[in-house]
Amino acid sequence: EPEVTQTPSHQVTQMGQEVILRCVPISNHLYFYWYRQILGQKVEFLVSFYNNEISEKSEIFDDQFSVERPDGSNFTLKIRSTKLEDSAMYFCASRERIYEQYFGPGTRLTVT
Amino acid sequence: DQQVKQNSPSLSVQEGRISILNCDYTNSMFDYFLWYKKYPAEGPTFLISISSIKDKNEDGRFTVFLNKSAKHLSLHIVPSQPGDSAVYFCAASSYGQNFVFGPGTRLSVLP
Repeated sequence: EPEVTQTPSHQVTQMGQEVILRCVPISNHLYFYWYRQILGQKVEFLVSFYNNEISEKSEIFDDQFSVERPDGSNFTLKIRSTKLEDSAMYFCASRERIYEQYFGPGTRLTVT
Repeated sequence: DQQVKQNSPSLSVQEGRISILNCDYTNSMFDYFLWYKKYPAEGPTFLISISSIKDKNEDGRFTVFLNKSAKHLSLHIVPSQPGDSAVYFCAASSYGQNFVFGPGTRLSVLP
């Protein structure tokens, strides 16, 4: 069964450093998403991406964040200058035209 | 502003009995609802969905009920199994835009 994959599973970085989180969505899916979950809190929407552009973003998704689909298979989330409060699980999700989103296993980002 | 609420942070049920997880929403524009299950250190796994044109959707042991007038939905698991122990998230969307997640309910199914 096709699935969304994410790398790395765990990323440790120092405050102020740039990180890139990678996702490979399910191949025939058209819509892509990033969510995050801070430990003990709910899953929060960050950004959605369709037709090579951002279709919606939350207030969390400020100028420090960017997304790219560089090669037609990968979908990346970049955080330019990480802060302590960026420490969270980051989930990528994708979907076809139907509404069910399928999530990857997540990347745990730890900012020290 | 919590648009999607799951007022029970945790629920314990005996194996074989019914588990009922509740979810309330405030945005009347929501027209599609999903339930996800999440194990520790894993991504959410899609369980079942329902659109606002229906009031019930069933898939095996899982049934979701939607009461639009009350802005309430519930997930029924019957019979509950120990492997169902996880955190369950309700999520809602308007016209397939980004989904708003509830805070989750931790279900423990006791053997």
